[in-house]
Amino acid sequence: GENVGLHLPTLSVQEGDNSIINCAYSNSASDYFIWYKQESGKGPQFIIDIRSNMDKRQGQRVTVLLNKTVKHLSLQIAATQPGDSAVYFCAEIPSSGGGADGLTFGKGTHLIIQP
Amino acid sequence: DAGVTQSPTHLIKTRGQQVTLRCSPKSGHDTVSWYQQALGQGPQFIFQYYEEEERQRGNFPDRFSGHQFPNYSSELNVNALLLGDSALYLCASSPGLQETQYFGPGTRLLVL
Repeated sequence: GENVGLHLPTLSVQEGDNSIINCAYSNSASDYFIWYKQESGKGPQFIIDIRSNMDKRQGQRVTVLLNKTVKHLSLQIAATQPGDSAVYFCAEIPSSGGGADGLTFGKGTHLIIQP
Repeated sequence: DAGVTQSPTHLIKTRGQQVTLRCSPKSGHDTVSWYQQALGQGPQFIFQYYEEEERQRGNFPDRFSGHQFPNYSSELNVNALLLGDSALYLCASSPGLQETQYFGPGTRLLVL
């Protein structure tokens, strides 16, 4: 079936560097994408979202890029801090006439910050 | 302003038993979705409730059922528990359909 997947299960970066987490999706009908951060023992925390009519959206220290041509999504974190250590998930909502919107998640990327 | 809350935080059951998990949505949210997250995996969508009705369902058997109350809170019920039902059960709420979903801390269920 169609699913959202991530290229790398683990990403290790130096504190202060920029991090880029990638996500490939296969459902071309998806029109809404969300990045979540999940720390150990906690529920996923919303980071940033983007709709399919946009190709870039910026938040505080984070930027999401959407390339619909190759069905690729990325999350860029600027000046990575120790508190950024977590598992990052991309999730998608396929467009549907019913309006319901169960999220489809990928397996996640574990971001590790090196001091 | 309280976020999404879930109870209990942890639960241990044996095979064949039944369990009920509870969720209170974030203030102002009327839509509740439930997810199952196995260890090391991403959350899997179970179902979504809006206006006290199940609006969408993921690939889960009928042993998984739910309910939404007039105050928008929700319950997830699982009957005839299997070892494979051991997981973190997450509730997410949103201010309507096709809106950003915010997650609670989850209920950790262990089936022995």
